[in-house]
Amino acid sequence: GAVVSQHPSRVICKSGTSVKIECRSLDFQATTMFWYRQFPKQSLMLMATSNEGSKATYEQGVEKDKFLINHASLTLSTLTVTSAHPEDSSFYICSSRPLRGQGAAVGEKLFFGSGTQLSVL
Amino acid sequence: GENVEQHPSTLSVQEGDSAVIKCTYSDSASNYFPWYKQELGKGPQLIIDIRSNVGEKKDQRIAVTLNKTAKHFSLHITETQPEDSAVYFCAAIASGGYQKVTFGTGTKLQVIP
Repeated sequence: GAVVSQHPSRVICKSGTSVKIECRSLDFQATTMFWYRQFPKQSLMLMATSNEGSKATYEQGVEKDKFLINHASLTLSTLTVTSAHPEDSSFYICSSRPLRGQGAAVGEKLFFGSGTQLSVL
Repeated sequence: GENVEQHPSTLSVQEGDSAVIKCTYSDSASNYFPWYKQELGKGPQLIIDIRSNVGEKKDQRIAVTLNKTAKHFSLHITETQPEDSAVYFCAAIASGGYQKVTFGTGTKLQVIP
């Protein structure tokens, strides 16, 4: 199946610093990447949808200036947590769907990255 | 918007027994229903999916059933093994473009050896 590579898998940072998380689609073109946040023992919460070459769409309650999303190419999307604080500590996951006709031709199938555990001290 | 309810939240079964997880959805426009398995500290992994034009789909020990009229779908795992222990999420999607995925609240499955 399609592969989404997410890095880093774990990051510990000091309060006030910024952290960048990268997601790459390895064998398909991802014109859209979804970014989720997951708290312990909870479901995935969609934060924003990044679109290649255009501005990301943020869900209600998600601060655009706090969570900067860049989708500069068809295979790379990044999420930057700016001026991180302890309350930003969470598990962040990206996902994307290959378009029909691309490689695996998987249509609606959503493939996830391996996640990034962010801990802000 | 779509609302997906998932039950139970936790499930413990003896190795070899079957496990069933149920989900209901609210939006009749939803027509694609994937199931994901998430192990601790990892991203969700698609394990099986079903489209609304099919009532049942099976892949080895895993099967999914869909009742469009009642708007519910279920995951069935037979002959459970310890490695099946994980959190399972159902989801509902109205296909067409890049529609949002609405996830269930998750079921923590524990298979007791």
